[in-house]
Amino acid sequence: DAGVTQSPTHLIKTRGQQVTLRCSPKSGHDTVSWYQQALGQGPQFIFQYYEEEERQRGNFPDRFSGHQFPNYSSELNVNALLLGDSALYLCASTGTGDRAAGGTEQYFGPGTRLTVT
Amino acid sequence: AQKITQTQPGMFVQEKEAVTLDCTYDTSDPSYGLFWYKQPSSGEMIFLIYQGSYDQQNATEGRYSLNFQKARKSANLVISASQLGDSAMYFCAMREGGTNAGKSTFGDGTTLTVKP
Repeated sequence: DAGVTQSPTHLIKTRGQQVTLRCSPKSGHDTVSWYQQALGQGPQFIFQYYEEEERQRGNFPDRFSGHQFPNYSSELNVNALLLGDSALYLCASTGTGDRAAGGTEQYFGPGTRLTVT
Repeated sequence: AQKITQTQPGMFVQEKEAVTLDCTYDTSDPSYGLFWYKQPSSGEMIFLIYQGSYDQQNATEGRYSLNFQKARKSANLVISASQLGDSAMYFCAMREGGTNAGKSTFGDGTTLTVKP
């Protein structure tokens, strides 16, 4: 059973460029969330996709956009890259399970390390 | 607004001893879930344990247990019989709303070092 996969593993971009990161959720999961983790900090929620729509969004500018495909995989796009966008980008998936308050556990992928120079 | 506080930037523990990592949270939602994750230097976030706000008993998963004190809004992680492989960053996280797929709010983490 494949877990959450992300590509690419590492990426180096120049300021002002655009980047697309990809995520495939764990088998059976239909909800994908994206997080940004700066060095030495906890992950920050960017947005979440369910049924191909953005369901929740964190405090990130419109430069950050996403998409979910019918097979539940997802993309994170960042336009006009800034030096401050350098971070580990984590994708997490959850399924529509029957659990108590707070829901099922969230499974994370290995992340994409983005460096903006 | 959700908030998670982890007050211990770094912790040291001797191999085979138990260690407690602190986590306090703030929420006005009566329905929420609390999670602990381990993040080794490789970067992958590994799920350890989950506690629902309505769960009557403290969660346990092998060597991990969650000391849930609802009135104090505290959800400390206890690792028993520490192993060298437990050295990593540990994050406490919360998800509100009672839904099974909502955003998670993370603390800033605690770096745990296990000494031989």
